[in-house]
Amino acid sequence: GDSVTQMEGPVTLSEEAFLTINCTYTATGYPSLFWYVQYPGEGLQLLLKATKADDKGSNKGFEATYRKETTSFHLEKGSVQVSDSAVYFCASHSGGGADGLTFGKGTHLIIQP
Amino acid sequence: SAVISQKPSRDICQRGTSLTIQCQVDSQVTMMFWYRQQPGQSLTLIATANQGSEATYESGFVIDKFPISRPNLTFSTLTVSNMSPEDSSIYLCSVQVGTGDSPLHFGNGTRLTVT
Repeated sequence: GDSVTQMEGPVTLSEEAFLTINCTYTATGYPSLFWYVQYPGEGLQLLLKATKADDKGSNKGFEATYRKETTSFHLEKGSVQVSDSAVYFCASHSGGGADGLTFGKGTHLIIQP
Repeated sequence: SAVISQKPSRDICQRGTSLTIQCQVDSQVTMMFWYRQQPGQSLTLIATANQGSEATYESGFVIDKFPISRPNLTFSTLTVSNMSPEDSSIYLCSVQVGTGDSPLHFGNGTRLTVT
């Protein structure tokens, strides 16, 4: 079945630092790829998505590019803020409802002022 | 998108008791799901809540332990039965607006602690 691997956390950065959270996937076919964010005490929110190779998803200063050749969907942000502190989940979706959705284990990001 | 209200937001329960979690959506949705997020772990799909029929459970989850109701297209409940400390988790309601690989929308979750 599909699998998603993302870098272990916690990741601790200073405010205004550059962020990269790595995510790679294995899937049969060409899944859609997502990043979800979970702020403290809240449920998951969709951060961005990409549905085909070379697509770039972007939102709130975050970006991720669907790289088929490296089966990756790394999350980046040029200058992080304290308010970005959260847990970030990479996910792949091969369709067919929630049973086709595979989450990574999550990366806890801590931004220090 | 959809606005999902889930309650309770948290509860502390005694071993052997049961807790029912409610999920209300502000619009009619076809696909509704229940997830479990154990401490420090990713999300695990428990079941798909089907309107008008029995829920579809994933491997490792059974109806006797996690009975689910879905009386209409905007509401579902998940019951955690005969709880033990191992059931301490965050339980999340989720819906899919659209079809295929449309993204899921999540409620804020119910943080359950079993003592």
